[in-house]
This record gives sequence, C-alpha cells and structure tokens, in this order.
Amino acid sequence: DQQVKQNSPSLSVQEGRISILNCDYTNSMFDYFLWYKKYPAEGPTFLISISSIKDKNEDGRFTVFLNKSAKHLSLHIVPSQPGDSAVYFCAASENRDDKIIFGKGTRLHILP
Amino acid sequence: DTAVSQTPKYLVTQMGNDKSIKCEQNLGHDTMYWYKQDSKKFLKIMFSYNNKELIINETVPNRFSPKSPDKAHLNLHINSLELGDSAVYFCASSQDSGGTTMGHEQYFGPGTRLTVT
Repeated sequence: DQQVKQNSPSLSVQEGRISILNCDYTNSMFDYFLWYKKYPAEGPTFLISISSIKDKNEDGRFTVFLNKSAKHLSLHIVPSQPGDSAVYFCAASENRDDKIIFGKGTRLHILP
Repeated sequence: DTAVSQTPKYLVTQMGNDKSIKCEQNLGHDTMYWYKQDSKKFLKIMFSYNNKELIINETVPNRFSPKSPDKAHLNLHINSLELGDSAVYFCASSQDSGGTTMGHEQYFGPGTRLTVT
C-alpha cells in the first residue's frame, strides 16, 4: 500500500528549462512533506520541505507546491542545471515528529 | 568531513551467515535510523533510536537487531541472512526536535549494498 506515490519513474528536461516533479499521497493525516535528492552511490540529501499550513515554500531555484485538497505536491526546479540530474524522493509524515514515508523516486535527467 | 558514515560499503555473504553494518554520525544528532531500500527502490524505515533508546521498530524480522552503544553510533546486526535481505541499507541521523521522538531533515549515510548469495 503506497501512501506516497511518484508515478513518473523518470523525467528528461532541457537545461535552463523548468523541471516539475510530481507526488501524490493517500493519507489525509500527512501534514509535513519533504523532498530528498539522491546521486548514485550516495545517500539521499534533504532538499526542501513544506508544512500543511502552507501551500508554497521556496528556496533558491527550488519551490515546493502543496495542494491539500488534491493530495498532491510538486517540486519545481528553475532553471534546471546539469547537476540537478539525480533521483528525487518525495516523502511525508503525519506530523513533524513521526516516521517519514518515502515515495519510489523519480529520476531526473537534465539534457544539455 | 563525513557527517554520516557506514561500513562496509559493499557486503557479499552467503545465506545463513551473521553480519553487521556499522554507522557513525559526527553531527551531534540525537536520533539515528536504519532504512532498507529494496529492489523495487522503496526506501522504508526499519528502526530509529533516540539517545540510545529504541523509538521506532517497524515490522522487521527479529533476525535484525540494532545496537546503539552511544548516541553517535547505531549498528545493525543481521542473523541467519536470507536471500531476501539483499538490499541497500541506509543509516541516517537527525537533530531531535524539542524532545520529541523524531526530527526531519535527516542526513543519510552513503549506504551499504548487501548481497546474499
């Protein structure tokens, strides 16, 4: 039972354009959401998070949007850079202090 | 300076053996975790420890036993290894948030790829 779903296994985007990674969740009790980035042979690294009291959080080139009614969040990267090529994991928890449930990940390829 | 380190990075062993994976963090965090990433790429939490105390113990076979000698270390011991144990195991740590059980913005180690033959 996947509570956090990333339905696109991979995504290719031209350098300089916007990358949009999507994530859906089924548990309406989730109220804290995170994105992690993972390079091959390395552990995931925290990227950005958002609490359910917000619908947008921005950090430099990265913006996370949350649509609670649709149980959907997305990560926007603009402009996309070659170093953004990685696997991106969406994650969620029921409160800030509960276990994190990860999605399966989306592999992002930034094309030159 | 490595924040969260794991040893070994690769581990190949036969069914029935007992093996350990070590994890150390130098971030001064209070909470540490073990995750398993299986062949389907799902990253699932196995255990978490807060100040050497077991906080989360997911539905994991009791062949898996975490051991935390101090809050900077969380080792994973696996008895009687099975083929299905083959996976990448990640250790992680986070700063305790206000005395609660688990923080976010976890810092992950590089992973240990375990192959059971």
